[in-house]
Amino acid sequence: DTGVSQDPRHKITKRGQNVTFRCDPISEHNRLYWYRQTLGQGPEFLTYFQNEAQLEKSRLLSDRFSAERPKGSFSTLEIQRTEQGDSAMYLCASSSGLAGEQFFGPGTRLTVL
Amino acid sequence: SQKIEQNSEALNIQEGKTATLTCNYTNYSPAYLQWYRQDPGRGPVFLLLIRENEKEKRKERLKVTFDTTLKQSLFHITASQPADSATYLCAQPGYSTLTFGKGTMLLVSP
Repeated sequence: DTGVSQDPRHKITKRGQNVTFRCDPISEHNRLYWYRQTLGQGPEFLTYFQNEAQLEKSRLLSDRFSAERPKGSFSTLEIQRTEQGDSAMYLCASSSGLAGEQFFGPGTRLTVL
Repeated sequence: SQKIEQNSEALNIQEGKTATLTCNYTNYSPAYLQWYRQDPGRGPVFLLLIRENEKEKRKERLKVTFDTTLKQSLFHITASQPADSATYLCAQPGYSTLTFGKGTMLLVSP
């Protein structure tokens, strides 16, 4: 399978704990995106990488959130000191061009108790 | 600020009919619009892209239109099937990524 993969698919954590998600994009794609999606809403942009450079972050991305893409390959999204409001589906997508279609992974569903 | 709006109410239609979903944008016309399909618990899947200078684009049973006067894109599924039941998302380009609408759930009953 050469699509976008995400790990884990589900994560349940207690409030205050740190969590880290991983995304493996399609290998030839240089652009990688993280989105958050809650029930009844569309995906909401969090951050964007071109190769290893993080070029844009949403104003919604608090200081508790950090993302990396070492060597321009896989990416990780870490949430520190999780809050119940962080409960959502976290989606990763990759693309090969600015106007091209984005290929989404299956998402990581986070539940903060 | 530029917004993109989709009817949040679910659309219920009978199998074989044509489903029409609406995407409205405010202010300026985006250079293009993209349409995605999303099934429950899964990531969105790209369906079609239509550029500002294109009036219509087709792919199999799907048709998308772009009306810059009405500031609207319509997404049509002809001869709908129960397997078409899903949420359909409209998206416009932002500075470096996409801004999605809330999506419209389509339910096709046999």
